[in-house]
Amino acid sequence: ELKVEQNPLFLSMQEGKNYTIYCNYSTTSDRLYWYRQDPGKSLESLFVLLSNGAVKQEGRLMASLDTKARLSTLHITAAVHDLSATYFCAVDMNQFYFGTGTSLTVIP
Amino acid sequence: GAGVSQTPSNKVTEKGKYVELRCDPISGHTALYWYRQSLGQGPEFLIYFQGTGAADDSGLPNDRFFAVRPEGSVSTLKIQRTERGDSAVYLCASSLNPAGWNEQFFGPGTRLTVL
Repeated sequence: ELKVEQNPLFLSMQEGKNYTIYCNYSTTSDRLYWYRQDPGKSLESLFVLLSNGAVKQEGRLMASLDTKARLSTLHITAAVHDLSATYFCAVDMNQFYFGTGTSLTVIP
Repeated sequence: GAGVSQTPSNKVTEKGKYVELRCDPISGHTALYWYRQSLGQGPEFLIYFQGTGAADDSGLPNDRFFAVRPEGSVSTLKIQRTERGDSAVYLCASSLNPAGWNEQFFGPGTRLTVL
């Protein structure tokens, strides 16, 4: 069974700091997605990564995919409070296998 | 344009009752997915439709769960003899292209509470 692990599970960081969230998965796939979920809300698509070496950036977030290492990263640059949410990676094997989620709190 | 919609947004029922949860996908999306999200967890796959047929129902936990999509658009997830462990948020997603890349767009979910 495919396993998708994220770390850390919980992240508290100060505004202005940088940090990286990691997503490891246990089988070969070259399709990976990142989603954001605010409390009580549904999932909002952030990034679509479709090949080895793919890098996408949007604002203070940058995502990358290394299919050989079976690893994706979500890098946060100069965090702001509005980024507080739970972030999920999902590996696409036709159905999505979601990671455990990383709950991010940005402290002013 | 309109996104994925789900009704009801909240459903409270008693143990042993039957419930139906509805999903309206984005118009033109041929693939439709159901997921279940328990508190503090990531969404867990239940079933995937391509058109009217269930292409993969391997995530349905047992035979109390059933889903249909008779006309290839709206889908209904049906749960018989509900149990307290069925309490969760049920998410529906749709995608335009089920082959190759497959970005899924999620609805707001139905929060099911079984008392």
